[in-house]
Amino acid sequence: KAGVTQTPRYLIKTRGQQVTLSCSPISGHRSVSWYQQTPGQGLQFLFEYFSETQRNKGNFPGRFSGRQFSNSRSEMNVSTLELGDSALYLCASRGLAGGPDTQYFGPGTRLTVL
Amino acid sequence: GESVGLHLPTLSVQEGDNSIINCAYSNSASDYFIWYKQESGKGPQFIIDIRSNMDKRQGQRVTVLLNKTVKHLSLQIAATQPGDSAVYFCAENSGGYQKVTFGTGTKLQVIP
Repeated sequence: KAGVTQTPRYLIKTRGQQVTLSCSPISGHRSVSWYQQTPGQGLQFLFEYFSETQRNKGNFPGRFSGRQFSNSRSEMNVSTLELGDSALYLCASRGLAGGPDTQYFGPGTRLTVL
Repeated sequence: GESVGLHLPTLSVQEGDNSIINCAYSNSASDYFIWYKQESGKGPQFIIDIRSNMDKRQGQRVTVLLNKTVKHLSLQIAATQPGDSAVYFCAENSGGYQKVTFGTGTKLQVIP
């Protein structure tokens, strides 16, 4: 079974631009979560989608948004990029609708904002 | 200017020795715990998990211990190998589909 895939792997943008990152979960997984990882803050939860609905959200400004499609693929968008948005953005998928279950991570998208 | 980042605790272990990585969690309602390994340039990789109705679980060369009384989790790696060098994260899930909370991580350095 293929793992979680994320595209693109690397991205360079300038302040004020917007960016869209893509995540394809493991086949059959309906939950997709997004995380931001930086040296300063560690791994921080952005949001989780299940069946095209956002069901959990972290403490990030409204510039960070996401969506999920009917095939469970997910995108996250960051508008009006700031230097501090430079980070590794990780996507994770898991299978069960309810109850805890293991998340499987993709390799991440390394975003650099200049 | 100088950048400021999280100071990751670092554990240096001789190759072949056993490693113990510790984690304190905060939510007494957490009922599921996971250990992840993250190598440089990669996403976190699942190692082992444990549910709150257990206090020990073993995998291949790894053992997770859970002490709910003091809200402490540990990962033991037997016969540590150079390939075990990575940052290790514990994560807690407090019921149902609620978001998973990650610890800050511990860097394991294996000395050949």
